Amino acid sequence: NAGVMQNPRHLVRRRGQEARLRCSPMKGHSHVYWYRQLPEEGLKFMVYLQKENIIDESGMPKERFSAEFPKEGPSILRIQQVVRGDSAAYFCASSGRDRDTDTQYFGPGTRLTVL
Amino acid sequence: SQQGEEDPQALSIQEGENATMNCSYKTSINNLQWYRQNSGRGLVHLILIRSNEREKHSGRLRVTLDTSKKSSSLLITASRAADTASYFCATEPSGSEKLVFGKGTKLTVNP
Repeated sequence: NAGVMQNPRHLVRRRGQEARLRCSPMKGHSHVYWYRQLPEEGLKFMVYLQKENIIDESGMPKERFSAEFPKEGPSILRIQQVVRGDSAAYFCASSGRDRDTDTQYFGPGTRLTVL
Repeated sequence: SQQGEEDPQALSIQEGENATMNCSYKTSINNLQWYRQNSGRGLVHLILIRSNEREKHSGRLRVTLDTSKKSSSLLITASRAADTASYFCATEPSGSEKLVFGKGTKLTVNP
């Protein structure tokens, strides 16, 4: 049973470029969450999606950041025109809420470095 | 704003000793979850305790929840060097499905 998968594991971008982070939830899970972690900090919630719907984006910066979870394929977190302050670890989690299981299982994360 | 706040920020003990970490939060919750993170790695789910539960056990882990004090504790008994990691509590606020994390407790277990 594969867990939550994220790729790439490490991503290096120059300022102004775009970063695309992908997340495949655990099999059978249709709820996806994205979190960001700065060094020596806890995780901060960004966005919660179900298939084709954004449910809660209260933690997403207003500009440059977007997320989607299409009917087919992984969830994508997209950061346009990256800046140095975007350097962080980005974690995706999934849960099977529709199966009355509210534990969130995390992927290994994508470590984004902006030069 | 951070809801869960762990205490202490860092804890260093000898193998075989017990480790206790505390977490306080501010709003009403659906559940509280504890996670472990090894340096530079992802989060491993340890245990979930619901708002109507007071205590839960899993192997060497014991979690308590006091909703009147808005606090939780994680006890690791008979610690091992492999328990060295950062431990985070995460609360799911009532009416929400996101998790709110504290800054974590860094546990070091010396062999």
